[in-house]
Amino acid sequence: DAGITQSPRHKVTETGTPVTLRCHQTENHRYMYWYRQDPGHGLRLIHYSYGVKDTDKGEVSDGYSVSRSKTEDFLLTLESATSSQTSVYFCAISEESGAIWEKLFFGSGTQLSVL
Amino acid sequence: AQSVTQLGSHVSVSEGALVLLRCNYSSSVPPYLFWYVQYPNQGLQLLLKYTSAATLVKGINGFEAEFKKSETSFHLTKPSAHMSDAAEYFCAISSGGSQGNLIFGKGTKLSVKP
Repeated sequence: DAGITQSPRHKVTETGTPVTLRCHQTENHRYMYWYRQDPGHGLRLIHYSYGVKDTDKGEVSDGYSVSRSKTEDFLLTLESATSSQTSVYFCAISEESGAIWEKLFFGSGTQLSVL
Repeated sequence: AQSVTQLGSHVSVSEGALVLLRCNYSSSVPPYLFWYVQYPNQGLQLLLKYTSAATLVKGINGFEAEFKKSETSFHLTKPSAHMSDAAEYFCAISSGGSQGNLIFGKGTKLSVKP
């Protein structure tokens, strides 16, 4: 299995508070992604990174920011959490070749509840 | 723009029966197509992928899918369902390229009855 660790695994927070989710990989893969999974919507891309300090927006980036200061870590921040951001968040990585379509490896997910 | 549509959010089959999960795509360029599986409380795992080689693609756990350009389809099949196949299955599409990204369907939950 690919070495991807997401933390925390579960989090409950209140509306308006900042939240940071962490994705850590030990594979030295260049590409990292944050998805959210909601019933009836499948997975939707929030942000992705194609290298240290290189990030770009995905389909549902509003209300989220990301940072990647090291190859192994990709942080997702909700500056001011809202109830609509209650979801399961998945981090994914792809091969060093950079071809996204080669294969994505997924972490185990973070269940976030915003009350 | 690319998209995939999975027909049926929930499919139920008996153990030993044929599994057929439907996926239709829309793409203005030759697509790359994927099926992922998600077991309860886990992340997604790649089942198989089509990247313009053979149109019949074999994956793990006895699953296969056939790319049919004329029907814009990439349906997933397995001849005989096992209880362990119960999971959610996602079809996904990509235009390729180093900065392309995958677009996922909404998922089909497969139940297997004993």
